Amino acid sequence: GAVVSQHPSRVICKSGTSVKIECRSLDFQATTMFWYRQFPKQSLMLMATSNEGSKATYEQGVEKDKFLINHASLTLSTLTVTSAHPEDSSFYICSAKSYNEQFFGPGTRLTVL
Amino acid sequence: GDSVTQMEGPVTLSEEAFLTINCTYTATGYPSLFWYVQYPGEGLQLLLKATKADDKGSNKGFEATYRKETTSFHLEKGSVQVSDSAVYFCALARPNSGYALNFGKGTSLLVTP
Repeated sequence: GAVVSQHPSRVICKSGTSVKIECRSLDFQATTMFWYRQFPKQSLMLMATSNEGSKATYEQGVEKDKFLINHASLTLSTLTVTSAHPEDSSFYICSAKSYNEQFFGPGTRLTVL
Repeated sequence: GDSVTQMEGPVTLSEEAFLTINCTYTATGYPSLFWYVQYPGEGLQLLLKATKADDKGSNKGFEATYRKETTSFHLEKGSVQVSDSAVYFCALARPNSGYALNFGKGTSLLVTP
């Protein structure tokens, strides 16, 4: 089956620093990847759609300058949280699309102190 | 906009009980509908899906039927097991947004022996 990995699985950083999260499709190519954010005991909220070779499409209310997305290859998308603050602490989940189905990574727990 | 509403949890059932988790949707057009499951400490996994009205998705004893007349996609299982304890998310795919997913808030299910 299609496997998507995320790295790191857990990261703790200081306020004001930047953190990069990687999302990789391991056994398939994905022209489209998605980034979601999940708050405790809540649903996943789509942050942006990442398209290989082009700019990401951000959902309303998501700051594109704060959440930088790069999809430089067909198997890798990165999300960089710039100048992180405690309110950015959350669970970030990526997915990769293959034939109109999405395959999800295991998520990255970000804690900003 | 497109949205999904699912019943609030947590739901606690005894083993072998019947399960229903309600899900209704609001959408323009005819979206594909999904149920995802998130086991403790793991990423989201696709449980089942339906792509058009009257389709029935099924997997691992779970079923859901795409009802256009009631805009519903309720999840059912005739006899739950302790291993079914997880969080269940109803979702719809937005065909005009690269099939990004809109999720319901999730329903936590606990099955006791």
